[in-house]
Order: sequence, then C-alpha cells, then structure tokens
Amino acid sequence: EAGVAQSPRYKIIEKRQSVAFWCNPISGHATLYWYQQILGQGPKLLIQFQNNGVVDDSQLPKDRFSAERLKGVDSTLKIQPAKLEDSAVYLCASSRGLPRRDEQFFGPGTRLTVL
Amino acid sequence: EDKVVQSPLSLVVHEGDTVTLNCSYEVTNFRSLLWYKQEKKAPTFLFMLTSSGIEKKSGRLSSILDKKELFSILNITATQTGDSAVYLCAVGEDVGTASKLTFGTGTRLQVTL
Repeated sequence: EAGVAQSPRYKIIEKRQSVAFWCNPISGHATLYWYQQILGQGPKLLIQFQNNGVVDDSQLPKDRFSAERLKGVDSTLKIQPAKLEDSAVYLCASSRGLPRRDEQFFGPGTRLTVL
Repeated sequence: EDKVVQSPLSLVVHEGDTVTLNCSYEVTNFRSLLWYKQEKKAPTFLFMLTSSGIEKKSGRLSSILDKKELFSILNITATQTGDSAVYLCAVGEDVGTASKLTFGTGTRLQVTL
C-alpha cells in the first residue's frame, strides 16, 4: 500500500509571498488532515476533511491559510501571504475511518522556511 | 483547553537500558490515546489504546492506559540506538462528526552506545 505523498519536500520563501503544498492520501482513505509542526512542538491540526467536505477548521488561520479537497482525494494547502511565524513542517495525514479512525498515517511533510 | 503533557521532555540512556515515557491528558471527550515515533520525518504509528489496564506490546515496546488517572506510559526495554527519536503521545476525541487528535510536545530519546 503506497503511503501518503506530499510535495514539495522543502520550500524557502520570503515573507509576504505565497506558497502551496500538495497531498495525496492513501487510496481509499476518506479522511484527510493538515497539521502544522513548529520545531520542538507536537503537530497541531489545521484542518480536517471528510471526503471533500470540511469537518474541522477551527485552528486554521483563515485570513491567510486556505485548503481544498475538491474531488475528495488529493488536497492543497495554501498560505497567502506568508509570515515569519509560518516557518514549520506541514504534515498531511489520512485515515480509513471507523472503527480505527484515530489511526492516522502521515506523509513525509513539507518543511517551509519563511525569510 | 485540551491538554496533553509528556514527560520527560528529553532523556539520554545507554544501549540496553529500559525507559519509561509518560503522557497525561485532559480532554473533554476522550476516545483513544495513541503513541507515535518521529525520527527525521513523518510520525509513524506505534499503538492505539482505548481501554484501561490492557497492555499493548510490540517487540520491545509496550504501552498501557489508565483512564481513571488520565495517563499512559510507553516502555522500551533493551533500548537500541535505532530507538533514538521523538515519541509523541496524542489523544483522540469526538468533536461533532470529526475525529480530532491533540498531540503532546513529545519526548526526545537519545540512546548512546
């Protein structure tokens, strides 16, 4: 079974620029998550999709972050404009759903550096 | 606010030692507790615990949950240098139709020769 794919793996941008990340979950996984992991901290959930619908985006800074999962498969996360504090690893994860819906499988992440 | 607290934040042990990592939590609608291992990349799943007092084992790793005292421990026996990593604890809870994981900050384990 292929794992969660993410691209790019690394990105360096200047503040106020825009950036987009892509994620392709494990085949058949209906639920997709985007996390932000700042150095030295645990992952923090940004947004959760069930198929192509958003079920939780309470911690997504909606003034600058957006995400979509139009066809219920792959997803993009965008930051516009980026700030210095957005420097982090952005992890995508997916899960099968019931009965083991908490068991999430993570992609390799995108390391973003904002200068 | 939901909290997941791990201790210690970091530790260094010698190969062959046994270590115990701790995770305590305060969440509103607890459903499960998970342990992940994170090396220089994505977290990889170790265990999911839902019932108190039932130990889960995988090789040299084991974990147990106490839902009354709101904590879990992860034991690693006969540690090896390949066990060096950050170990993350996460708590799963119901938020409407969503499945939310709240992570702790992790315990950084370094195993030396």
